[in-house]
Amino acid sequence: GQNIDQPTEMTATEGAIVQINCTYQTSGFNGLFWYQQHAGEAPTFLSYNVLDGLEEKGRFSSFLSRSKGYSYLLLKELQMKDSASYLCAVMDSNYQLIWGAGTKLIIKP
Amino acid sequence: NAGVTQTPKFRVLKTGQSMTLLCAQDMNHEYMYWYRQDPGMGLRLIHYSVGEGTTAKGEVPDGYNVSRLKKQNFLLGLESAAPSQTSVYFCASEAGQGGNEQFFGPGTRLTVL
Repeated sequence: GQNIDQPTEMTATEGAIVQINCTYQTSGFNGLFWYQQHAGEAPTFLSYNVLDGLEEKGRFSSFLSRSKGYSYLLLKELQMKDSASYLCAVMDSNYQLIWGAGTKLIIKP
Repeated sequence: NAGVTQTPKFRVLKTGQSMTLLCAQDMNHEYMYWYRQDPGMGLRLIHYSVGEGTTAKGEVPDGYNVSRLKKQNFLLGLESAAPSQTSVYFCASEAGQGGNEQFFGPGTRLTVL
């Protein structure tokens, strides 16, 4: 079966750095996405990785290791507005997205 | 540019009633999707469309039907609602397959009593 695993909840302090991990087992791989979802709102796109390595975009970075079936999202200089759920999704061999349940990130002042 | 819009935003149904959720996008995207989101679970694909006049089943299609008569609209129908269909429904659109971000509508919160 196909499976995406990520922690249910994490807590971090404003101004700090947090790493949200995602491991996956899917039938085929055509890329991995990270989305942000604030409570009661729609998911919004953060990043896409299809090759191994680190992609940096401002305060957010995303890393992929295809051989390990592993990715992480790194958030630096945390702000209160970063309190949200972070969704990991893998595009399988049929080009359909398989979604993890999301990691709820709580930022404390 | 409204992006992706969904109507209604909220709805309460009784078991056995029917309804249609409307999704509209103004980005000229070919691909459109209907997902449901339940607590503790990832988004699950109900149905999708790769272009006007086409539809296909996703992971959880039972109890739902869809139509894509116009490129900009994607309708999701519940013929006979059941309490198990209580969920938040998201529509999304995408320019093309593979590596493109999906743009999501604001969601419809449906409760079936």
